[in-house]
Parts: sequence; structure tokens; C-alpha cells
Amino acid sequence: QSVLTQPPSASGTPGQRVSISCSGSSSNIGNNNVYWYQQLPGTAPKLLIYRNNQRPSGVPDRFSGSRSGTSASLAISGLRSEDEADYYCASWDDSLSGWVFGGGTKVTVL
Amino acid sequence: QITLKESGPTLVKPTQTLTLTCTFSGFSLSTSGMGVGWIRQPPGKALEWLAVIYWDDHKRYSPSLKSRLTITKDTSKNQVVLTMTNIDPVDTATYYCAHSGDRGFDYWGQGTLATVSS
Repeated sequence: QSVLTQPPSASGTPGQRVSISCSGSSSNIGNNNVYWYQQLPGTAPKLLIYRNNQRPSGVPDRFSGSRSGTSASLAISGLRSEDEADYYCASWDDSLSGWVFGGGTKVTVL
Repeated sequence: QITLKESGPTLVKPTQTLTLTCTFSGFSLSTSGMGVGWIRQPPGKALEWLAVIYWDDHKRYSPSLKSRLTITKDTSKNQVVLTMTNIDPVDTATYYCAHSGDRGFDYWGQGTLATVSS
């Protein structure tokens, strides 16, 4: 049981917009930054979004992040086949004094 | 350019101690703000954070595994070592180390699979 809650799956057709939610609490998302990671099949996770809505260089602007209260979301616009991957949210948890991850969302491009 | 690489045994017997080494380049763990963390992923399951060590030797552990984990650094060798005691088959996972800075875990190693079996 992950501290951060994500839907197990999401899907869309090429070109569509897909949104993934990440629900937490006041001890994590409500008081700390949210990070998103993309994990392509058989590879290590890759940082996609940091500090809620910042993209590292090289990450397409099709990916965007937002945070509101104790929840966050990742949006993928103009969905492409290469976006098929698992996506994880993460945040620092003040009560646990450690990092917490979501359970991951598998995005399928139909 | 920051790179990290994990190394360790591929097969471990139950009750033994697992020792994993993260060898990195492109940054120094003596630089203010730098850290290295360990995250694991059982086959087909989610990521789980284990521990992190910072430039000032400050350490944090997952509360659920704290009694079994020890993280140390060797700044001169650019290495971070994680030991996990009393290994069980449920600890079978790919273990990743990652650079921790002001952008969270922004660089990851390729991971090393450790299988626990007698």
C-alpha cells in the first residue's frame, strides 16, 4: 500500500490528452514538492517533472505537472506511442522523514 | 555529466546480508546539497524508497526497513554503500541508486537485480 495514491492505469489514443492523479496528505504533497518519473519498459526511472511543474531540459513540453492542496497531477498532451510507460509520483513526507512514492500508473496508447 | 552504477551480488541466500555499492561520477558527495539515495523495485511492482545519505553525512531511512539498513559513503572513492541485513525472498528486487539534489532524484543508475533464494 503506497502512501501516495495513483490510478493503476490510464489510456488514450495518439494525439489525445491524458491526465494522471496523485493523492497524498498534508505531511507530503500538502507541504512539499512533487516529482514525477517516467519508467519505460525494462529501463530505470527518469525524472520527468520536478518541484511540481518544472521540466528538466530535454523533456518535451507535452508533459506538464501541477499541484493543488494534497493532490498533484501529470498531464500528457498530444499523446505519442513512445509515451507508453509507467509513471510514478513522489514527495518528501514530513511525518515519515523520508521519501514516498505512488503505486505507479501504466499509460497505454491505444 | 552525472552517472551512477550499482553493483552487488545477483543471488543472495535468505538470512544473509546484502551489500550494494553505488559508484558515481560527475559530482562530489563533499559538495553542499548533494546526496545519494537507494530505491528498489520488486519485479512487476512499484518503486520503494530505502535510504538517502547527504554531503554532511546526514542519513535518512525508510521507517519500515530502518532496523535492517545501513548507508555509508566513501567520498574519496565516490561510492555509497547500502547494507541490508536478514534478507528474505520478499527483498528480491532491482535496486537503484540515484543522485539527490535540488531536483529530487534526478539521475539514476541502471539498477542491479538481487534475487533472494536458497
